[in-house]
Amino acid sequence: GAGVSQSPSNKVTEKGKDVELRCDPISGHTALYWYRQSLGQGLEFLIYFQGNSAPDKSGLPSDRFSAERTGGSVSTLTIQRTQQEDSAVYLCASSWGLAAPSYNEQFFGPGTRLTVL
Amino acid sequence: QKEVEQNSGPLSVPEGAIASLNCTYSDRGSQSFFWYRQYSGKSPELIMSIYSNGDKEDGRFTAQLNKASQYVSLLIRDSQPSDSATYLCAVTTGNQFYFGTGTSLTVIP
Repeated sequence: GAGVSQSPSNKVTEKGKDVELRCDPISGHTALYWYRQSLGQGLEFLIYFQGNSAPDKSGLPSDRFSAERTGGSVSTLTIQRTQQEDSAVYLCASSWGLAAPSYNEQFFGPGTRLTVL
Repeated sequence: QKEVEQNSGPLSVPEGAIASLNCTYSDRGSQSFFWYRQYSGKSPELIMSIYSNGDKEDGRFTAQLNKASQYVSLLIRDSQPSDSATYLCAVTTGNQFYFGTGTSLTVIP
C-alpha cells in the first residue's frame, strides 16, 4: 500500500452508540499513532503503539476510548457510548519507529470525520 | 508550559515574499524536528525534517534549527497562493511526539 489508509472516511452516529475506526499503516511501519482534531483546533494526541503494545495511552480522554493493534499492522480505535463532544476528525499516523531520528517521520492518513448527533 | 509553541497567526504575506514561521520547544533533549503543512479539511503533510543545528534547504523551503535557543523555524521563499495553509511544528523526545497548534499562513496574490 502506498500510504496510511483509514476507514470509514465519514461516520455519523447517534449519541450513545459505539463506533470503531480503523487504521492501516504503511507496510513495515512499527509505530502507529492516533490523534484527534476538532474543528479549527490543533492535534490532540490519543495513543501510540510500538508493534502491538501501547507504551503511551496517556492521551485517551476517558475510559470510553480504547484502541488495539494486531499483527503489528492494523489498529482499531473504539469509542463506546459516544457523546457529542467526541465529534472530530480522527487521524492516524505511522512511522518506522526505530531509534534513529530520521525514522521518526510520521505520515498521516486521510482521517475519519466522526459526527455524533 | 506547552511542549511546543507556535504563533497562531494568522500570518499574511504578499505573493513572492518570504514567509517566516517560528516554533519554540521546551525539552532540551528533543532530537527530531518537523514541519507539516495542513490544508483546510485535509490531513497534515510532512514537508521538512531537521535533526542538527543549522539550515536545511529543500526547494523554496528552508528549515532552521538552533538547539541552544530551542528554536526551529521554516522559511518559505517566493511564497505562492498555494502555500496558504496551516503549518504545524512537531518535535520528538524519545518516542514522544509533540505538535504545536499551528500557524495559519495566507499568501495574498
